[in-house]
Amino acid sequence: EPEVTQTPSHQVTQMGQEVILRCVPISNHLYFYWYRQILGQKVEFLVSFYNNEISEKSEIFDDQFSVERPDGSNFTLKIRSTKLEDSAMYFCASRVPRDRGQVNEQFFGPGTRLTVL
Amino acid sequence: AQKITQTQPGMFVQEKEAVTLDCTYDTSDPSYGLFWYKQPSSGEMIFLIYQGSYDQQNATEGRYSLNFQKARKSANLVISASQLGDSAMYFCAMREGNNAGNMLTFGGGTRLMVKP
Repeated sequence: EPEVTQTPSHQVTQMGQEVILRCVPISNHLYFYWYRQILGQKVEFLVSFYNNEISEKSEIFDDQFSVERPDGSNFTLKIRSTKLEDSAMYFCASRVPRDRGQVNEQFFGPGTRLTVL
Repeated sequence: AQKITQTQPGMFVQEKEAVTLDCTYDTSDPSYGLFWYKQPSSGEMIFLIYQGSYDQQNATEGRYSLNFQKARKSANLVISASQLGDSAMYFCAMREGNNAGNMLTFGGGTRLMVKP
């Protein structure tokens, strides 16, 4: 069964460093998402991406964040200068276009745990 | 105001018994979808069940069913015949019809612990 994959599974970085989190969505999916989950808290939406552009973003997704789909398969989240409070699990998700009568659930990857020291 | 509220931070259930996990939501959009995801200790998010706002019947998927009460804005998850493997965090989430990115808004989650 196709699945969303994410690399690395765990990333440790120093405050102020740039990190790139990588995701490979399911191949026929067209909508892509990043969410984050600070330890012990709820899952929070960061950004959605469709047709090579951001379709929606939350207030968390400030100028330090960017997303890119550099080729036909990868979807990346870059944090330019990490802060301690960026430590969280980052989930990538993808889904097919919304069709009437279909669930169109978002399929989540296994997550990347980012630790900022 | 919170869009998704899960009032039970933790729940215990005896193996083989049924359990209900509560979820209430808040939206003014007539078109919306409600989702339940399971997050085991390994961390991945697993889709369980979906209820659309216009669906006439409560959703069911195997041992999972959704008790959808539209007037009360509640979408409780019912797990029948609990198994030890059901021990996990459970998140209720909503997608509102008019948001361009169709993002999901999650509740705070309920940790379910199944006792042998």
